[in-house]
Amino acid sequence: ETGVTQTPRHLVMGMTNKKSLKCEQHLGHNAMYWYKQSAKKPLELMFVYNFKEQTENNSVPSRFSPECPNSSHLFLHLHTLQPEDSALYLCASSQDPFQGSEKLFFGSGTQLSVL
Amino acid sequence: AQKVTQAQTEISVVEKEDVTLDCVYETRDTTYYLFWYKQPPSGELVFLIRRNSFDEQNEISGRYSWNFQKSTSSFNFTITASQVVDSAVYFCALSEAGYSGGGADGLTFGKGTHLIIQP
Repeated sequence: ETGVTQTPRHLVMGMTNKKSLKCEQHLGHNAMYWYKQSAKKPLELMFVYNFKEQTENNSVPSRFSPECPNSSHLFLHLHTLQPEDSALYLCASSQDPFQGSEKLFFGSGTQLSVL
Repeated sequence: AQKVTQAQTEISVVEKEDVTLDCVYETRDTTYYLFWYKQPPSGELVFLIRRNSFDEQNEISGRYSWNFQKSTSSFNFTITASQVVDSAVYFCALSEAGYSGGGADGLTFGKGTHLIIQP
């Protein structure tokens, strides 16, 4: 138990569906992240929120839309995804905004399959 | 640009054997941090260790040990007397120090090594 909870654990969706991934951290951290983990590739940073403000969008397609209503919750809204978007989506948090030495605390991820 | 190479895609050993996971990094910075994370089948990455570039002292934590050598830009991880519970994907990562962007894009992960411990 890392203190970061992600739901759902598994999600299968069609290309025309709209779904949302949820992440909640119980650690009192001030920074939250979405990562994408695809087979045979390094983790890809997607979005970063520091103190509820988005500070990073690594050229992520607009079919992925993040939302951070407060410092404990992070959502990833999905719509009109493509099969290549199938991956494990990991949420992480850190005590402070990342400046090099911070440890990241990860959730167990949502395994997404796009049909 | 930073780069982390974990050349071993998959390693399989029998329980109780020692195993070393290699990590080679590239950076132009003189101050940086190195990390190891473990990803068990449950999915979450778990922090194992952080090292800054000025501290080359090797570290031991139970059956785990880390060998940091700046001369070869390596930060290798050894598990002694491996156990089935050590089966996981292990990631090495590198970050710049004093990164002011607050965005974590200065944190670079390797592709990971899948370690399989057979009973």
